Formats: sequence, structure tokens, C-alpha cells
Amino acid sequence: NAGVTQTPKFQVLKTGQSMTLQCAQDMNHEYMSWYRQDPGMGLRLIHYSVGAGITDQGEVPNGYNVSRSTTEDFPLRLLSAAPSQTSVYFCASRRAAHNEQFFGPGTRLTVL
Amino acid sequence: KQEVTQIPAALSVPEGENLVLNCSFTDSAIYNLQWFRQDPGKGLTSLLLIQSSQREQTSGRLNASLDKSSGRSTLYIAASQPGDSATYLCAVRRDQGAQKLVFGQGTRLTINP
Repeated sequence: NAGVTQTPKFQVLKTGQSMTLQCAQDMNHEYMSWYRQDPGMGLRLIHYSVGAGITDQGEVPNGYNVSRSTTEDFPLRLLSAAPSQTSVYFCASRRAAHNEQFFGPGTRLTVL
Repeated sequence: KQEVTQIPAALSVPEGENLVLNCSFTDSAIYNLQWFRQDPGKGLTSLLLIQSSQREQTSGRLNASLDKSSGRSTLYIAASQPGDSATYLCAVRRDQGAQKLVFGQGTRLTINP
């Protein structure tokens, strides 16, 4: 199993640009989520999904969209990038009946 | 609101020592607690998961304990090695259905050869 994979590893955007961060898992996990990690703020939940077609907001959802058309994929879209979205983004997944959370390697995003 | 604190923020010890990392949380109504390791520029690797009904979990040289009533967990690392150098994070989940993990800020551990 590849586990949780994320692409790209690094990205630089200009203010106002849009992009999609990709996340995939091959463990047949029902639950997937996106976190951002910022110095002094720790990891904060952006959006999550409990299954295909079902998504909901976390703590810091503004400026981000998600969709879950398949069990495997959970992309995160930045609609109009802002410097405040400069961060490291982590995708995570777990089984519904099991509580251990698995994280991807992260995407380091810089917005100029 | 649940808050998770890890003290100290950084710790440096010589190789071979046994050490304890601390994690405290303000609301004792948790479902479970998970310890992670994060290497610089990398993702989070799950180390141990303790359910609220458990007192401890062990994996190799690692032992995690949980005292829910006092809002504390410790991660014990035996016979530390330079390869153990990383940031260690603890996180709590409120209930089985909760999607959010509440993280501490982490302890940056350095093991000196």
C-alpha cells in the first residue's frame, strides 16, 4: 500500500491564482480530512469527508473547497489564493470503525 | 474548548538515556489520544494510539500512558538513539464520530551522539 499520497510536494502561487491540492489513499478508508500546519498555530482542520459525496467544514474552511467523488480521492481547491494561505497542508485518512489517523507527506504552499 | 499542551517545547539529551515526553489536555472527556512523530519537512507518522479505556500502549522502545482523569499522557522512550530525533506531537479526539484531532504544539527532541 502506498498509504496517503499528496501532490504536489511544493507549490508557489501568486495572489489570486487558483489551484488544487491532490490527495489519494489506497487503504479503502471512509474518512478523509485536510489540515494545515502553521508555526505557533499547530495543525488545524480545514475540511473533512465521511464518505463519497459527503463533506463538511472544519475549523478554518474559508477560502477552500473540497469534493469527494470517490472513496480514494479528496482534492482541496484554493479558489483565489491569499498570502494567509501560505502553509503546509496535510491530508489524512482513517477507517470509520478504527481511530488511528494516517497522514500524507504534505504539500508546502507559498502564496506571494 | 479542548486545549492540548506539550512541555517542554524542545529537549536535548545524550544518546542512550531514557526520556519522557509530556502531553496535557484541559477536557478529560476524550475518546482517544494519538502520538505522532514528525521529521523535518515530512508528514506525521503514527506511533501509538490509546483509547480512553486504556492506561497504556507499547510499541518497541516506546510506551505511552494515559491518565484521563488528570488530563495527562506521557510518551516514554527507552534507550534513546540519534534516529529518535524528531518533533513528537500528541492529539486527542473528543468522541468516535469526531473528525477533528486537537493537536499540541509538539516537543522537538534532539538525541546527541
